[in-house]
Amino acid sequence: GAGVSQSPSNKVTEKGKDVELRCDPISGHTALYWYRQRLGQGLEFLIYFQGNSAPDKSGLPSDRFSAERTGESVSTLTIQRTQQEDSAVYLCASSSRPDNTEAFFGQGTRLTVV
Amino acid sequence: AQKITQTQPGMFVQEKEAVTLDCTYDTSDQSYGLFWYKQPSSGEMIFLIYQGSYDEQNATEGRYSLNFQKARKSANLVISASQLGDSAMYFCAMRGTSGSARQLTFGSGTQLTVLP
Repeated sequence: GAGVSQSPSNKVTEKGKDVELRCDPISGHTALYWYRQRLGQGLEFLIYFQGNSAPDKSGLPSDRFSAERTGESVSTLTIQRTQQEDSAVYLCASSSRPDNTEAFFGQGTRLTVV
Repeated sequence: AQKITQTQPGMFVQEKEAVTLDCTYDTSDQSYGLFWYKQPSSGEMIFLIYQGSYDEQNATEGRYSLNFQKARKSANLVISASQLGDSAMYFCAMRGTSGSARQLTFGSGTQLTVLP
């Protein structure tokens, strides 16, 4: 596709359930980022993938959060045993080089834990 | 670790006037990029402008310009001739080139409101 695609766009889940969020980056983009944005707040870095290098997981808030990426394609962010504080918009971005190009964002997945 | 600081949680500007949104940064990298993004109420993140740390000229993109002062570690965004559609949240971001600095780090944002 032409842009970064995220699915689902909205997800309502019960506390304690697992959820999986998907990100399709722009074709050929080697870098992929996941961010969390709580209502009215800034972007909180979660994880960064760069090609086949080991991902930078330093932003993952707990071991309930994990992410995978196959090569330079789709990435999935998994949240296990969801809590109400996990409610946020999860944004994915990709870029073509790791240093000096802009990252393009998807529309995000709005997660609501009830 | 790198850090972005935006000290203005909210700003107001009259339509057609210019406004400056402040951004300071901290990094140990010698080579890095600075970015500004706009996030309207719809939630999408829109890339506005980029400045490389070795670029000698300040970046400009239409009504947007970046006032880059490397010694002061500041990268302020200037919007000229403000329009009502400029009302949005604005985020400053940076990315280094080594280790964990390669992650794209964002500031806390500035909510800009353009008044008619």
